[in-house]
Amino acid sequence: GAVVSQHPSWVICKSGTSVKIECRSLDFQATTMFWYRQFPKQSLMLMATSNEGSKATYEQGVEKDKFLINHASLTLSTLTVTSAHPEDSSFYICSASRQGIDYGYTFGSGTRLTVV
Amino acid sequence: RKEVEQDPGPFNVPEGATVAFNCTYSNSASQSFFWYRQDCRKEPKLLMSVYSSGNEDGRFTAQLNRASQYISLLIRDSKLSDSATYLCVVNRVNDMRFGAGTRLTVKP
Repeated sequence: GAVVSQHPSWVICKSGTSVKIECRSLDFQATTMFWYRQFPKQSLMLMATSNEGSKATYEQGVEKDKFLINHASLTLSTLTVTSAHPEDSSFYICSASRQGIDYGYTFGSGTRLTVV
Repeated sequence: RKEVEQDPGPFNVPEGATVAFNCTYSNSASQSFFWYRQDCRKEPKLLMSVYSSGNEDGRFTAQLNRASQYISLLIRDSKLSDSATYLCVVNRVNDMRFGAGTRLTVKP
């Protein structure tokens, strides 16, 4: 149980375009999902916390207008990187937890974004 | 100061060795603690939760000291397949923080 599906697993896009990444909880409802970014040889850095039916909470230094998060249902959160630039190239990964159960968090398989 | 700090590593050990990783956290309100394993270019996977009483899962032993705000992971009889980055994770309510990770390489 507790499977999180993330798509696409990798994407290459041109500078200036937007990229949407989806994160789905397949067998449980996730009122909260998290979006992380990881640069090579660095740790995961929390970008934002996505709450179903409300606005996401962004970490300091993360531009909310650039990284648009939508959590319209209990099983789906999306991250859209708008007007992507080469410095946005990174590994983006989501995670979710079953409500009320502290078994840790399950991660999606991640999306490797390369902006050229 | 980072909220979660780990041994910088990397650790290069021979097969069969015992290796220990340490982690400290700064927020005393942290509620739950985990060790995750991350293979290169993959997502982190939960290795084990960490409890105050200490817990063991096969060759892996995790310990938590709330007073010192310190977490440890011990790996006995290291296998080649243990080579990975080990992430210390500290959780408050809906707020999960990662250490920078410690890279372990087990060599034949």
